Amino acid sequence: GESVGLHLPTLSVQEGDNSIINCAYSNSASDYFIWYKQESGKGPQFIIDIRSNMDKRQGQRVTVLLNKTVKHLSLQIAATQPGDSAVYFCAEIRGGSYIPTFGRGTSLIVHP
Amino acid sequence: SQTIHQWPATLVQPVGSPLSLECTVEGTSNPNLYWYRQAAGRGLQLLFYSVGIGQISSEVPQNLSASRPQDRQFILSSKKLLLSDSGFYLCAWGKLETQYFGPGTRLLVL
Repeated sequence: GESVGLHLPTLSVQEGDNSIINCAYSNSASDYFIWYKQESGKGPQFIIDIRSNMDKRQGQRVTVLLNKTVKHLSLQIAATQPGDSAVYFCAEIRGGSYIPTFGRGTSLIVHP
Repeated sequence: SQTIHQWPATLVQPVGSPLSLECTVEGTSNPNLYWYRQAAGRGLQLLFYSVGIGQISSEVPQNLSASRPQDRQFILSSKKLLLSDSGFYLCAWGKLETQYFGPGTRLLVL
């Protein structure tokens, strides 16, 4: 669905720090989750996904954590770099559906 | 590997003019195809999706329409653009749940 409000939440970090971006999802029937990265003027780029039978999944410098009890998803970026500056979206998908529900996005700003 | 193309990248159109945005996918067959609109600083609004040739589902009633004349081609159209149609239009393809997005078309209606 579409975001409400005109301003995205913003997270500012220093280069080299670890970043944690959070997302609260709404549907307890959702069983698949994706994080996307969107740089300015570009389409969203798939980063990492996780299914509801897992609570943690690691990629290259990124880790996704899933807490089904409180319907919370987080993306951890290790050793954040200026190239990580972008808007990050989470998406939840209910089992059997091909239509994701997107979160409103978080703007990550990395200061050199 | 799969790739998705959108064109044009940028478009400036007067109010009342028609619109045709094209999206094509390579490297896969029978994908699900999607059109989204993104207003500045906002999230993604699903406009249309298609699970096969000629099959279009509309999520939001408005003056836009979509067509899928070929398996890997998805077209977004309008007969008369409104100012409110300005935005960033994204095409995506998917197999099962995961969606992969194209580079987008920025539309400015004046």
